[in-house]
Amino acid sequence: AQSVTQLGSHVSVSEGALVLLRCNYSSSVPPYLFWYVQYPNQGLQLLLKYTTGATLVKGINGFEAEFKKSETSFHLTKPSAHMSDAAEYFCAVSYSGNTGKLIFGQGTTLQVKP
Amino acid sequence: DGGITQSPKYLFRKEGQNVTLSCEQNLNHDAMYWYRQDPGQGLRLIYYSQIVNDFQKGDIAEGYSVSREKKESFPLTVTSAQKNPTAFYLCASSSYGGLGAKNIQYFGAGTRLSVL
Repeated sequence: AQSVTQLGSHVSVSEGALVLLRCNYSSSVPPYLFWYVQYPNQGLQLLLKYTTGATLVKGINGFEAEFKKSETSFHLTKPSAHMSDAAEYFCAVSYSGNTGKLIFGQGTTLQVKP
Repeated sequence: DGGITQSPKYLFRKEGQNVTLSCEQNLNHDAMYWYRQDPGQGLRLIYYSQIVNDFQKGDIAEGYSVSREKKESFPLTVTSAQKNPTAFYLCASSSYGGLGAKNIQYFGAGTRLSVL
């Protein structure tokens, strides 16, 4: 079955440090890949997505992610963390012909320390 | 402003009671989705609909029901058969759900359901 794994349910970084949130998917078929962010008691907001083309994708708020087919990964990075980045982050995949359903990872809570 | 409106924000269910969560969108999207969110489990798909008067079960449909009588509305009923309904429920929509797997899903702000 197709699945998404986010390594680390909690990640803590200092303000100004590099943010790295890991996402791996399991499928022999190239997926469409998404990162969403969720602030407490709110819905999800899209950070970025990869469908085709350039494998390095830039999103909002300074985040970017790189699709590595050989590693089946789509890790999310940001060079310098801000306090406002503290939230829960979800990696998700969908597949052509799969009715647009999203398969979500378990989520990673990012804590930013002053 | 275009978007997805979920109501109520908080909902309490008594034993044996059915409750309905509302989801309305004015984005003119064809596809709508209901997800359940539990801590540490990500989001799990309950039901989805790609077109009016049609919907399909997701991964955890037991104890839930939906209808899609209008394009803009996709209410979710949590029935008494759902024995563990306490969760955060999120509604989403996207354009061309069947042919647009790469299309973005837009989410509402959620409804938090608790059992009394």
